[in-house]
Amino acid sequence: EAGVTQSPTHLIKTRGQQATLRCSPISGHTSVYWYQQALGLGLQFLLWYDEGEERNRGNFPPRFSGRQFPNYSSELNVNALELEDSALYLCASSYGTGGKSNQPQHFGDGTRLSIL
Amino acid sequence: SQQGEEDPQALSIQEGENATMNCSYKTSINNLQWYRQNSGRGLVHLILIRSNEREKHSGRLRVTLDTSKKSSSLLITASRAADTASYFCATIGFPGRRALTFGSGTRLQVQP
Repeated sequence: EAGVTQSPTHLIKTRGQQATLRCSPISGHTSVYWYQQALGLGLQFLLWYDEGEERNRGNFPPRFSGRQFPNYSSELNVNALELEDSALYLCASSYGTGGKSNQPQHFGDGTRLSIL
Repeated sequence: SQQGEEDPQALSIQEGENATMNCSYKTSINNLQWYRQNSGRGLVHLILIRSNEREKHSGRLRVTLDTSKKSSSLLITASRAADTASYFCATIGFPGRRALTFGSGTRLQVQP
């Protein structure tokens, strides 16, 4: 079974640009989660999508947005990039809201976003 | 913001020894999960313990949960060099929430 895949592995941008990160969940999983791991700030929840809808959002500004496609893959978009957006962005997937609430999230290897 | 803290922040042991990591959290939870992260890569799920469980085992891993003290511990027995990684606890609260709230992590170094 293929795991969660993320692309690209690394992304280098400059301040003010826009970045798009992609995630493909494990087959059968309908929920996709995005997390940011920034140096000194730890792992923080960004967004949760299920069945194409945004279900929950962390404490991040609106320039962090995303979407989930009919095949359950997802994109995270970050507009007007700032230096502090430099971080490892992790995507995870799990079964959706119709499934058990007590289930693990399975993570991809992340996209390392560097802002110059 | 982080749900809680992990203790110790860093731990260095010899192969074959046991490693114990502790996690504290602040609010009521539905479950608590432990994850491992190797050198800036993705997280690997280790074990999930529900709020009504007190202890759970998986191979060389033993997790305890004390909801009255809002704390959990992860014990890795007979450690190996391959166990070298950062370990995070993460919680999910109520109701119907799915966002994991992570602790600050313990960096474990197992010397061969």
